[in-house]
Amino acid sequence: EVQLVESGGGLVKPGGSLRLSCAASKYTFTSYTMNWVRQAPGKGLEWVASISSGSDYIYYADSVKGRFTISRDNAKNSLYLQMNSLRAEDTAVYYCARDYILDYWGQGTLVTVSS
Amino acid sequence: DIQMTQSPSSLSASVGDRVTIACRASQSISSFLNWYQQKPGTAPKLLVYGASSLQSGVPSRFSGSGSGTDFTLTISSLHPEDFATYYCQQSYSTLRTFGQGTKVEIK
Repeated sequence: EVQLVESGGGLVKPGGSLRLSCAASKYTFTSYTMNWVRQAPGKGLEWVASISSGSDYIYYADSVKGRFTISRDNAKNSLYLQMNSLRAEDTAVYYCARDYILDYWGQGTLVTVSS
Repeated sequence: DIQMTQSPSSLSASVGDRVTIACRASQSISSFLNWYQQKPGTAPKLLVYGASSLQSGVPSRFSGSGSGTDFTLTISSLHPEDFATYYCQQSYSTLRTFGQGTKVEIK
């Protein structure tokens, strides 16, 4: 079955940076758009960014535009999220998810922004 | 951005009850509406896509309907494992948005 495994979360100070990774397996990674979705503690889901299969189309939520960069390496079956200028409100579990309908999700990685 | 509004925010129901959750979009999204179930400490799971198509492996007691701006998720007979939070999400716009969630609790 499709597997998505996130990594790279941790504790970072406000203003700092972090890079998340999502390793995909057991499907043809190059055929699907990929997404990052986050969930702050005790809150609902928030779509963060998406990238098309060939990286031609990239979109961001207004809340992260200009600070976060989504990218992918199709040769490595991997998705990334570079997060800069982090704020306390970016504290959340970050999930990678496949396709427009988010049909498969990873287990999530926790990012905590705190001094 | 397209705003998604779910109602109610929470509900209490008993095993065997029929449950309906509503989702309204701030503009027409055709049938580009998906439903997810999330249990505490776990990733969301896709239940319904395209407003009414059941994802593979999802029990038939779940169903979705609607188009345009108004959608519903129905659980025909609530099972113990269905107590969870449910989210709608639009995939019409390139800026995907979720509803705020509906928590289904045990009465």
